[in-house]
Amino acid sequence: NAGVMQNPRHLVRRRGQEARLRCSPMKGHSHVYWYRQLPEEGLKFMVYLQKENIIDESGMPKERFSAEFPKEGPSILRIQQVVRGDSAAYFCASSPPMAYNEQFFGPGTRLTVL
Amino acid sequence: AQTVTQSQPEMSVQEAETVTLSCTYDTSENNYYLFWYKQPPSRQMILVIRQEAYKQQNATENRFSVNFQKAAKSFSLKISDSQLGDTAMYFCAFIVGTSYGKLTFGQGTILTVHP
Repeated sequence: NAGVMQNPRHLVRRRGQEARLRCSPMKGHSHVYWYRQLPEEGLKFMVYLQKENIIDESGMPKERFSAEFPKEGPSILRIQQVVRGDSAAYFCASSPPMAYNEQFFGPGTRLTVL
Repeated sequence: AQTVTQSQPEMSVQEAETVTLSCTYDTSENNYYLFWYKQPPSRQMILVIRQEAYKQQNATENRFSVNFQKAAKSFSLKISDSQLGDTAMYFCAFIVGTSYGKLTFGQGTILTVHP
């Protein structure tokens, strides 16, 4: 059973470009969570999604950030018009249905904005 | 608001010795889960141990055990027989039952195991 997959592992963007981060949950997991880790800090919750639904986006910045988890395919975290402050590690976690306390993390995507 | 505090930015221990990492948290909820995650230099987040708040018995996983003091809102991690591979950043975290999966993390403690 493959773990949570994230790609790319490293992403470099120039200011003003778009960043797309992908997350494929573990087999049988229908819940996805995105977290951001700024340098020298702990992880901060961004958004919780189920298939085709955003359940909790209270941690998402109001502008430029969006997330989706379509019926088919991976979950996508999209950052438009990136700025240097978006440089961070973005982690995706997944859990089985109704088991939000069993989150398994992917390896993360390290976003660097030049 | 839910908060987690790790008061030790860095800790070090000699190989084969025991070390305890501290964590306190704050919540007004009664139903929650507590976790310790390990983040080695690879940056992969690895679950070390989990504790359900309604269980009085402290969780153990091989060399890892917790001291859960619910009234004091304290959740420390004890690592026995420390190994070089235990060198990592350790994060304390919790989920409140009503928060639908929103893990709240502490700032982390960097643990270095010396040979």
